[in-house]
Amino acid sequence: TQLLEQSPQFLSIQEGENLTVYCNSSSVFSSLQWYRQEPGEGPVLLVTVVTGGEVKKLKRLTFQFGDARKDSSLHITAAQPGDTGLYLCAGLNRDDKIIFGKGTRLHILP
Amino acid sequence: DVKVTQSSRYLVKRTGEKVFLECVQDMDHENMFWYRQDPGLGLRLIYFSYDVKMKEKGDIPEGYSVSREKKERFSLILESASTNQTSMYLCASSLGYSGNTEAFFGQGTRLTVV
Repeated sequence: TQLLEQSPQFLSIQEGENLTVYCNSSSVFSSLQWYRQEPGEGPVLLVTVVTGGEVKKLKRLTFQFGDARKDSSLHITAAQPGDTGLYLCAGLNRDDKIIFGKGTRLHILP
Repeated sequence: DVKVTQSSRYLVKRTGEKVFLECVQDMDHENMFWYRQDPGLGLRLIYFSYDVKMKEKGDIPEGYSVSREKKERFSLILESASTNQTSMYLCASSLGYSGNTEAFFGQGTRLTVV
């Protein structure tokens, strides 16, 4: 069974601080995705990483895919209250099923 | 604008009732998914369909069935609702090829079984 482990589970930090959340697996994924989910809504895709070692930037968010394609990280610079939400990583397994980590619940304090 | 629409945002049903959750997508996607989301457990895949009339069990199919008679519509059926099926249900769709694919989600249905 391919599993995605996310850490930390919860994170509460002050506005302006930097943070990193992690998504790890013992399995290789052809691609990994990061989603953000706000209360009462479905998850929305932020980015997809495909190539081992790939780094993608989305404004203050930096996403990295591990060289072995087993792990990924999301780094947020100068966090803002609008970054508050549940961050989910997801991977496509061998059967084309999209599986999700349990998520990191991020709360940015103003 | 791409869209996945779930028929209800909130539902309250009684134990033993048969419950239908409907999902429609307008993107001509092959793949459709039903997940449930519970605190501390994340999104768990209930059923998955990769084509009309095709379905595959996910990680937690017990107590559920699905129907996909048309490409755009994927229904989740709770044959006899139980209180442990109280949850947030999320429908998603994606293109039908391996590799780099994005899942588009509906807004979710919060089901309470009393």
